[in-house]
Amino acid sequence: GAGVSQSPSNKVTEKGKDVELRCDPISGHTALYWYRQSLGQGLEFLIYFQGNSAPDKSGLPSDRFSAERTGGSVSTLTIQRTQQEDSAVYLCASSLGTTVNTEAFFGQGTRLTVV
Amino acid sequence: QKEVEQNSGPLSVPEGAIASLNCTYSDRVSQSFFWYRQYSGKSPELIMSIYSNGDKEDGRFTAQLNKASQYVSLLIRDSQPSDSATYLCAVNRQGAQKLVFGQGTRLTINP
Repeated sequence: GAGVSQSPSNKVTEKGKDVELRCDPISGHTALYWYRQSLGQGLEFLIYFQGNSAPDKSGLPSDRFSAERTGGSVSTLTIQRTQQEDSAVYLCASSLGTTVNTEAFFGQGTRLTVV
Repeated sequence: QKEVEQNSGPLSVPEGAIASLNCTYSDRVSQSFFWYRQYSGKSPELIMSIYSNGDKEDGRFTAQLNKASQYVSLLIRDSQPSDSATYLCAVNRQGAQKLVFGQGTRLTINP
């Protein structure tokens, strides 16, 4: 596609349920990032993929959070047993991932509300 | 010390004036620097990237980088009300693909 695509745009879930957030990066982009942005706050790094591997998972806030990427393309962020503090906008970005060009482009985000 | 620091603002500038946004970073081996614009309720949009010391101009935007001072700035000339947004500074190191963001500066252009 022309840009980074995320789905769903909005998700309301009950506390304790599991959710899956999907990111489809720009075609040919090998690097993929997940960030979280709470209301009025900055971007919190969650995880970075280069191809299918995740060399940096340092931002995942707890073991309830996991992410995978298959075929070097689509990525899924899974949150198990959701809590109210998980409510935020989850942003995905992708870049060419080369050492000379690391410009990252964002999708429109998934707004997650845990009730 | 935060890896990337920005004044949260709000910064208020009259229409037609120059808006100056500043960012400092702590990691001396940082290699790539970016400015993103984020409108309320929207995702960040890349507006400038800079990799070498000096100035880089693109239309009304100029990015300035000083690696010795670990400082990067964004100038917006002839500011327009449509420039009102939060501006995010982002930094990463060569070979380390984690983009680290500052908290952002909220800019308001007053007509």
